[in-house]
Amino acid sequence: QTVVTQEPSLTVSPGGTVTLTCASSTGAVTSDFYPNWLQQKPGQVPRALIYSTSNKHSWTPARFSGSLLGGKAALTVSGVQPEDEAEYYCLLYHGAAQVGVFGTGTKVTVL
Amino acid sequence: EVQLVESGGGLVKPGGSLRLSCAASGFTFSNAWMNWVRQAPGKGLEWVGRIKSKRDAGATEYTAPVKGRFTISRDDSKDTLYLQMNSLKTEDTAVYYCTPDRALSYWGQGSLVTVSS
Repeated sequence: QTVVTQEPSLTVSPGGTVTLTCASSTGAVTSDFYPNWLQQKPGQVPRALIYSTSNKHSWTPARFSGSLLGGKAALTVSGVQPEDEAEYYCLLYHGAAQVGVFGTGTKVTVL
Repeated sequence: EVQLVESGGGLVKPGGSLRLSCAASGFTFSNAWMNWVRQAPGKGLEWVGRIKSKRDAGATEYTAPVKGRFTISRDDSKDTLYLQMNSLKTEDTAVYYCTPDRALSYWGQGSLVTVSS
């Protein structure tokens, strides 16, 4: 069974920068995995932030950016705001069948 | 405005069946690949499966834990997506969401399925 791994938790100061990563047990993540990033706050429905590695939705704040970094997908938040405190999930599509696998999630604390 | 409304959830005994529906509006449903995603209480997100558009042969894919038990279908005349769940297990207890395309752009409020004796 494919496993997609994220940092369990990260802490960042307001105004700081934080980078979350997303690794696949199958090997290096490339754009073929169509990396997505979603944000979920407690009690809320998930909200899509980034798709296809680095593309933003119309509602995605400019401080969020996606990339590939050292064989992983990455989400960078620059100029972190208190409202960015949330759980973040990546989603990778694997293989020719493009089966989706969510990451384990990263809890970001703004302190 | 895109709207996704899931329904059909409830309490079911292990081994039972349930069918979820997802009524979509605000986009061209027939062109969209549609996904089901679930979230068990206090746990992370799990991609359940996807159905492609009829234009792409309506192919389906599933995550391993539900393969052979769950079936995704669609009725483009009603802009509705379905998830037929058979042989339900306690570990299938979750909120089930439908969401379009590979970008999972839009989400409904979900439908809670509880599998318990």
